[in-house]
Amino acid sequence: AQTVTQSQPEMSVQEAETVTLSCTYDTSENNYYLFWYKQPPSRQMILVIRQEAYKQQNATENRFSVNFQKAAKSFSLKISDSQLGDTAMYFCACHGSGNTGKLIFGQGTTLQVKP
Amino acid sequence: DAGVIQSPRHEVTEMGQEVTLRCKPISGHDYLFWYRQTMMRGLELLIYFNNNVPIDDSGMPEDRFSAKMPNASFSTLKIQPSEPRDSAVYFCASRKTSYYGYTFGSGTRLTVV
Repeated sequence: AQTVTQSQPEMSVQEAETVTLSCTYDTSENNYYLFWYKQPPSRQMILVIRQEAYKQQNATENRFSVNFQKAAKSFSLKISDSQLGDTAMYFCACHGSGNTGKLIFGQGTTLQVKP
Repeated sequence: DAGVIQSPRHEVTEMGQEVTLRCKPISGHDYLFWYRQTMMRGLELLIYFNNNVPIDDSGMPEDRFSAKMPNASFSTLKIQPSEPRDSAVYFCASRKTSYYGYTFGSGTRLTVV
């Protein structure tokens, strides 16, 4: 079984600043995948970034990067140069590598970017 | 690629009525998932299909809920009879084998009054 925990229900950041969202997870799988999804007010679920657990290098997508600490089972998301359009709820999620696995989500962090 | 298409976008119904939510996955994706999102419980996986076959329905809350996938391009989630506590946003998502990033539809907001 997998669990994902996001301990920050709400966060705010000034435009152009950097913010880090926290996530911890637990899984019994040897290999797995971790994700951050963004849900803006439109409610569309948008994949932001993906990390494969067997890769040591942290994933990066433009202004979004992760800090993946496998031993600590931590997977934080860093947003650099925050923009007003980054205002959204952010979900951390974990998926086992087997095809019978499921994508399990954390409770989400609401991020407000202030002008 | 039109993405995952869900209909309707909004549904308001009276308690006791039957509700049917629809989903068209991305062509070539062989997994389809139904999630429910509420403030109290977050995003919950209800059921998923692989090659049109239901694999895990352990998240379906009760017998009032049923899901079908008659072919690779269409799935339904039905609630009969509906209750106010079923009010939520229902998402459909799909993926292809060996890629674990799901693509989500825009969701159906269901309100049962």
